[in-house]
Amino acid sequence: EAQVTQNPRYLITVTGKKLTVTCSQNMNHEYMSWYRQDPGLGLRQIYYSMNVEVTDKGDVPEGYKVSRKEKRNFPLILESPSPNQTSLYFCASSITGGGGQPQHFGDGTRLSIL
Amino acid sequence: SQKIEQNSEALNIQEGKTATLTCNYTNYSPAYLQWYRQDPGRGPVFLLLIRENEKEKRKERLKVTFDTTLKQSLFHITASQPADSATYLCALAPTDSWGKFQFGAGTQVVVTP
Repeated sequence: EAQVTQNPRYLITVTGKKLTVTCSQNMNHEYMSWYRQDPGLGLRQIYYSMNVEVTDKGDVPEGYKVSRKEKRNFPLILESPSPNQTSLYFCASSITGGGGQPQHFGDGTRLSIL
Repeated sequence: SQKIEQNSEALNIQEGKTATLTCNYTNYSPAYLQWYRQDPGRGPVFLLLIRENEKEKRKERLKVTFDTTLKQSLFHITASQPADSATYLCALAPTDSWGKFQFGAGTQVVVTP
């Protein structure tokens, strides 16, 4: 089944403790992206990757890191999480990043940082 | 600054009627406009996309229009059903920033029998 898989689905952690949210897709998509969703603000793009080893900042990249060493994986790293990063995070993939193709989303990771 | 606006108030509609949602944008030149459906606790699911040079797209009971002069897209659900109850998001992909997307905050639709 074609899908985007995120792990963990839920995480409660404390300020400053490094964490990684994994994202994997099995559709051989070139494009992958991370979003955060907060009430009233909609989805905001954190980072995106047009292909392996190519990443770019979205609208809200501060406090996050990403890497794209393999086509299927695009982990999101919070090196020193803070409470304002408490949010619902979504990973998405697409054949290309040009907008003419649909994005496929994972089911989300709910992060709570105390 | 770039802005995308969707009605923040929930749209309550009776089964069988047509639901119409709006997506307005400013300071933006989108190449494509996409519509997604999101159910509680789930990721968005793609529904339709329309290019800047297209006026209208249809898929089953769904219709999207795109007016680049008004800077607006309308999303219609005809013959609505309770199963159509969800939040609907619009997303814009700009002409000058490949890979960048901006989403509206979404409009909740509630279809009552």
